[in-house]
Amino acid sequence: QSVLTQPPSVSAAPGQKVTISCSGSSSNIGNNYVSWYQQLPGTAPKLLIYDNNKGPSGIPDRFSGSKSGTSATLGITGLQTGDEADYYCGTWDNSLSVWVFGGGTKLTVL
Amino acid sequence: EVQLVESGGGLVQPGESLRLSCAASGFSLSSYSMNWVRQAPGKGLEWVSYISSNSATIYYADSVKGRFTISRDNAKNSLYLQMNSLRAEDTAVYYCARVKTTADSASDYWGQGTLVTVSS
Repeated sequence: QSVLTQPPSVSAAPGQKVTISCSGSSSNIGNNYVSWYQQLPGTAPKLLIYDNNKGPSGIPDRFSGSKSGTSATLGITGLQTGDEADYYCGTWDNSLSVWVFGGGTKLTVL
Repeated sequence: EVQLVESGGGLVQPGESLRLSCAASGFSLSSYSMNWVRQAPGKGLEWVSYISSNSATIYYADSVKGRFTISRDNAKNSLYLQMNSLRAEDTAVYYCARVKTTADSASDYWGQGTLVTVSS
């Protein structure tokens, strides 16, 4: 069982918006930056969002991140079939002195 | 272009050892901390270990502590993971990843991974 909790799956139609939640505690999300990763089928993870809401160079602004208290959210607008992937949140845990990932959320674009 | 290429994976029996390598190019490895992250077949990501740029700070997941050793050779632009006393539950694709700044920051570049299978 993961320290960070994500919904196992979400779905939406092309062109629509979807949000993926990531819930933690004061020892991780509450006091550290959150990052988000996209893993397309059969490929390595790719950084989507870092420091809660910053996008690396080359990441479309359709992807956004936010954090409030001990929860974080990834938002994706203008959904495309190419966005179908597994999405993971991650952050440092001060109590455990380890990096923790959420269990992952599978996005289906219907 | 930043590139990370893992190697050294393979099939081993329970209790055996394996050493993974990660070759870095396109950036100065000596300026960055690094992570190893693994993914069991059909499962999610699991962080394994962290090493700072000068090897002064190292962290391990509880699941590998005492069995795995992370190290680096900045002169050779290489990161390593020595895995001893391997168990079936260590079967996974192992990724090396560059850390943006300190241990609590994101991994901004990932290798393609190397598969480790532990089975008799």
